[in-house]
Amino acid sequence: QSALTQPPSASGSPGQSVAISCTGTSSDIGGYKYVSWYQQHPGKAPKLMIYEVSERPSGVPDRFSGSKSGNTASLTVSGLQAEDEADYYCSSYAGSNFVLFGGGTKLTVL
Amino acid sequence: EVQLVESGGGLVKPGASLRLSCAASGFTVNDAWMSWVRQVPGKGLEWVGLIRRKTSGGTPEYAASVKGRFTISRDVSQNTLYLQMSSLKNEDTGVYYCATDRGWLTFDCWGQGTLVTVSS
Repeated sequence: QSALTQPPSASGSPGQSVAISCTGTSSDIGGYKYVSWYQQHPGKAPKLMIYEVSERPSGVPDRFSGSKSGNTASLTVSGLQAEDEADYYCSSYAGSNFVLFGGGTKLTVL
Repeated sequence: EVQLVESGGGLVKPGASLRLSCAASGFTVNDAWMSWVRQVPGKGLEWVGLIRRKTSGGTPEYAASVKGRFTISRDVSQNTLYLQMSSLKNEDTGVYYCATDRGWLTFDCWGQGTLVTVSS
């Protein structure tokens, strides 16, 4: 199974909104509601930001939201802040106790 | 507070073996689904394998790229998860993270990672 497809980079100015896409297939994103998004700052471990397509763990700002349509999931960051600059990875359950990750998107706050 | 601390990484030659540890606190490793995830420096994430909580059978599953070479286990007395790696290849190089699974391979708590370098 191939990795999920994410754009390598995205950017926005403080206060703006930016969306990051994650494209898979009907065997992963399209077939399950178990899509997650992780934020990773340089030299740090990933942090869960969104799970089950659109749910936020406790402590994650509501500026972060998730959605899915067909085989593509999206993470939207609204009201961009400097600390949102990081790498973002999507993941999807792909059946048979297997998970796929995306290649990652580097978000730059201009 | 849930905390995970990995250790055991280092530089090894191709074909060698290495055991990584993941010391847990704030919960019991027997009661959690847990996974190992690796990351080639500067690259993306790759799931390595999981171990089910004891009440779900306690059995492991592995990614195809490591099946037959890697083994996940745990020691309840030490509250520690392990990743035994053998027949290591250059492409196994990366930072290895242990993580707790809130369900359906969604990872809600991660350790800081330990670097494994496989090189001659």
